[in-house]
Amino acid sequence: SYELTQPLSLTMALGQTARITCGGNNIGAKSVHWYQRKAGQAPVLVIYRDSRRPSEIPERFSGSNSGNTATLTISRLQAGDEADYFCQVWDSNTGVFGGGTKLTVL
Amino acid sequence: QVQLVQPGADVKEPGAAVRVSCKAAGYTLSMYAMHWVRQAPGQSLEWMGWIIAGSGSTKYSPRLQGRVTFTSDTSANTGYMELRSLTSEDTGVYYCTREGTPPGLDAFDLWGQGTMVTVSS
Repeated sequence: SYELTQPLSLTMALGQTARITCGGNNIGAKSVHWYQRKAGQAPVLVIYRDSRRPSEIPERFSGSNSGNTATLTISRLQAGDEADYFCQVWDSNTGVFGGGTKLTVL
Repeated sequence: QVQLVQPGADVKEPGAAVRVSCKAAGYTLSMYAMHWVRQAPGQSLEWMGWIIAGSGSTKYSPRLQGRVTFTSDTSANTGYMELRSLTSEDTGVYYCTREGTPPGLDAFDLWGQGTMVTVSS
């Protein structure tokens, strides 16, 4: 079965740029989606189809996907960006999620 | 307001079944696919499958096939997930989420708050 690998955690300072990776075999050939889940809240779609941003998501959020790695980039970090982030793809008509990355903003 | 509304929690004994509801508000359930995703403590998100309320078509994760059933009530704009023969490994948060049709191609653009299911004697 297809697997997605994410770092367990990432700690960054306010105002910095966070890059959260999602590794998978030839993931560049797939369409990658990213979700943000803040404590006690429902997950929210922040990036879809590798790099597209829903209208309500700030421009500080961007995505890329190539080779064996997809990346979610969050610039000018704010305290409100602290959350768990999950990547997701479809493989053989089955939904596959990465393990999730806990982003801490100091 | 467009949202998916789920109950907060449920507790079941091992061997029992649980039925979780998910009410669509602000849009017509049958126009989209409804997926179910769960997360056990310390584990990642696990995709469980989908249902298209308009047609009743379903697809289940091979891991749960035979133990899970998705249904819907279009008059109530509500979807349901039933999981049977529960064990402690089924303890976790169960989310409903939405995708356009056909399912299995795009992102989940709307999520419920999740229902915490605890399996304990």
